[in-house]
Amino acid sequence: DAGVIQSPRHEVTEMGQEVTLRCKPISGHDYLFWYRQTMMRGLELLIYFNNNVPIDDSGMPEDRFSAKMPNASFSTLKIQPSEPRDSAVYFCASSLRHDREQYFGPGTRLTVT
Amino acid sequence: GDSVTQMEGPVTLSEEACLTINCTYTATGYPSLFWYVQYPGEGLQLLLKATKADDKGSNKGFEATYRKETTSFHLEKGSVQVSDSAVYFCALSDSGNNRLAFGKGNQVVVIP
Repeated sequence: DAGVIQSPRHEVTEMGQEVTLRCKPISGHDYLFWYRQTMMRGLELLIYFNNNVPIDDSGMPEDRFSAKMPNASFSTLKIQPSEPRDSAVYFCASSLRHDREQYFGPGTRLTVT
Repeated sequence: GDSVTQMEGPVTLSEEACLTINCTYTATGYPSLFWYVQYPGEGLQLLLKATKADDKGSNKGFEATYRKETTSFHLEKGSVQVSDSAVYFCALSDSGNNRLAFGKGNQVVVIP
């Protein structure tokens, strides 16, 4: 299996621009998680889905952030408009069941200037 | 809510030294416990896990025992290598919550 796939691996954008991060979970996994990692805040859960349905988005920092999962093999995290404080590494992870191990993608390093 | 606490600060040690990273947890139910490792520039990888009290998880020479009486899951390795340099995260998953609660992570640097 190819594991969790994320794209792009690196994104540099200017403040105010729209950013879309993409994730392909491991085939057959029914949970998908989006995390943000920064030096200051560590690893934060932003939102997670079960069977393509958002279950808990309480970690999404603001209305500028939105996430979708149109099908079992694809999810997006969108930031519009982006701000410098959004600079972080964004990870996607998937799992078979809520209390089993999560498999993480390589992350997208976002820099907003 | 459920939470995990890891010891503060980075850990620097010499090759072949013993490593211990402390992890304690707070949970209302009967959580599963995990250690994840993050190598530079990569995502988190599961290192080991334990699903019930007194279980011992082990992998790549690392071990951790689920201690319910002390609510702890300390990570240990008897002889570290330079390749063990990474950030280590303790985490828990409670059956009542569909998520992992992560500790803040510990940077481990092994010097040749």
